[in-house]
Amino acid sequence: NAGVTQTPKFQVLKTGQSMTLQCAQDMNHNSMYWYRQDPGMGLRLIYYSASEGTTDKGEVPNGYNVSRLNKREFSLRLESAAPSQTSVYFCASSSRGVIYEQYFGPGTRLTVT
Amino acid sequence: GQQVMQIPQYQHVQEGEDFTTYCNSSTTLSNIQWYKQRPGGHPVFLIQLVKSGEVKKQKRLTFQFGEAKKNSSLHITATQTTDVGTYFCAAVAGKSTFGDGTTLTVKP
Repeated sequence: NAGVTQTPKFQVLKTGQSMTLQCAQDMNHNSMYWYRQDPGMGLRLIYYSASEGTTDKGEVPNGYNVSRLNKREFSLRLESAAPSQTSVYFCASSSRGVIYEQYFGPGTRLTVT
Repeated sequence: GQQVMQIPQYQHVQEGEDFTTYCNSSTTLSNIQWYKQRPGGHPVFLIQLVKSGEVKKQKRLTFQFGEAKKNSSLHITATQTTDVGTYFCAAVAGKSTFGDGTTLTVKP
């Protein structure tokens, strides 16, 4: 079992460029999440998907879109990157909702210049 | 909305000293989770507490959930260099809110 995988590991974008961060899990989990982590700060929820076919906004959704492609995959898209989106992005999954522990991917380190 | 405060933000200890981090919520929680993130790594689940007043132990780590289910603590006895990292609580009340974490450094 690979757990939660994310691609790419590192990315540098220029302001205004777009990109999609990919996430996949092989644990047959229903719920998936996207977080961002800024230096010295905790994890802030961007979007989540409680189950296949549903997505909801988290605490900081502006500037992002998501797609729950199937049960395994949950992608995060930046349509027009801004320097304020420089961060480390983590994908996570849980069995069924936040009352269950979350398993995190290795993260994507994104720099927007 | 739900607010979660975690203190202290940083803790520097000598190897062998004890360490405690506290997590306080503005609302009553259904459960609380603790995670550890090593430098450069990703958060890893440690434990979940559900019951009022619950105490759980994992070797040198002791986790407590307050009687009112609004606060929690993580205590490490006799820290080792392998304990370095940032410890996060995730407070669950309908949704999950992470604290900002306590970063522990251990001097050998």
